Amino acid sequence: EDKVVQSPLSLVVHEGDTVTLNCSYEVTNFRSLLWYKQEKKAPTFLFMLTSSGIEKKSGRLSSILDKKELFSILNITATQTGDSAIYLCAATYSGAGSYQLTFGKGTKLSVIP
Amino acid sequence: NAGVTQTPKFRILKIGQSMTLQCAQDMNHNYMYWYRQDPGMGLKLIYYSVGAGITDKGEVPNGYNVSRSTTEDFPLRLELAAPSQTSVYFCASSYTSGDGYTFGSGTRLTVV
Repeated sequence: EDKVVQSPLSLVVHEGDTVTLNCSYEVTNFRSLLWYKQEKKAPTFLFMLTSSGIEKKSGRLSSILDKKELFSILNITATQTGDSAIYLCAATYSGAGSYQLTFGKGTKLSVIP
Repeated sequence: NAGVTQTPKFRILKIGQSMTLQCAQDMNHNYMYWYRQDPGMGLKLIYYSVGAGITDKGEVPNGYNVSRSTTEDFPLRLELAAPSQTSVYFCASSYTSGDGYTFGSGTRLTVV
């Protein structure tokens, strides 16, 4: 079963719109929630969240974690065509004496002029 | 600072052939990982390593093998390639287990 579920799977918006991407997780011994942006090639790191309610911000991107409800959101304001990418979230957790990380399937964001 | 370097970038294999995907990092990261990414399926962990000499299976290890003789290098070996191994393979590294990862640029492998 999927441990990390992202929604929506794809999204098309116009430049200037604000978008919210969702990531829910269901893991035991949760450690952190990671967000990545993947354009043509490798994912690039955006945020790591470990504490509930503390917003992380980088330019027009921001993210917050809710450890009680087991989800995170990634907000992008004033979207630009360069924001078009697949956004991946991943949950890290401890299991069976080892460290694990599971990625969601991603949200494909398309920003049109 | 090169980060994580993967070679080759592209490869076509025939069924039953073997190959090694190379991965090297120069950031002195302890943790290294191999993922495969299939369309619409997200990233799936194949193998990971928490330090030189230590490797462990991930979610989809069958058909693959790894070694970690040095901190810098983490090659992934495919024995007896099968069409189901057609995918994009990413190597990644991190300093500790909870850090954000640095990814290589990927290897697109096609098995025909």
